[in-house]
Amino acid sequence: NAGVTQTPKFQVLKTGQSMTLQCAQDMNHEYMSWYRQDPGMGLRLIHYSVGAGITDQGEVPNGYNVSRSTTEDFPLRLLSAAPSQTSVYFCASCRRSAYNSPLHFGNGTRLTVT
Amino acid sequence: TQLLEQSPQFLSIQEGENLTVYCNSSSVFSSLQWYRQEPGEGPVLLVTVVTGGEVKKLKRLTFQFGDARKDSSLHITAAQPGDTGLYLCAGARGTGTASKLTFGTGTRLQVTL
Repeated sequence: NAGVTQTPKFQVLKTGQSMTLQCAQDMNHEYMSWYRQDPGMGLRLIHYSVGAGITDQGEVPNGYNVSRSTTEDFPLRLLSAAPSQTSVYFCASCRRSAYNSPLHFGNGTRLTVT
Repeated sequence: TQLLEQSPQFLSIQEGENLTVYCNSSSVFSSLQWYRQEPGEGPVLLVTVVTGGEVKKLKRLTFQFGDARKDSSLHITAAQPGDTGLYLCAGARGTGTASKLTFGTGTRLQVTL
């Protein structure tokens, strides 16, 4: 069972570069989300989607774009990387609602912006 | 603004000891989840509590949701090295499909022999 797959696992960018973090799930989950994890801050929600074609902002959306053209995929785009975006990024999905469904997480992408 | 504060931030104990981790907020949540995360991996769900005052047990782990649904605790009895990890609480706001989870600041637990 693949679950939630994130690529790449590690990435180094220079300030101003752009890139896309990939996320795919094979569980037919409607809900998908992106979090960033920083020391002492827990996980903070960047963007989320409740189904194909529907996206919304979380707590820290600035500097990031998302799209949801299929149920399976939910890529996160960094438009112009900044050192403040150095973090570990997690994609997570659940069946329908985060209220009562467990979030299934990928293993993360560690991003460093120099 | 961090809505969910966990305490303690770090905890280092010996095998066999008991411990309690707290998750506090001034906001009311519709449900509260606890996750454990190991290095290099994503968090994994331990339990979900929904009703105020609810208590759930998972082997040596006991979870309680506060009566007012603003706080929660995790108690581990006779800790083992396998309990080592980062414990995260997460509160849900709303009950529909757009319900969002807010995560706590985390408690890093180390259990030594």
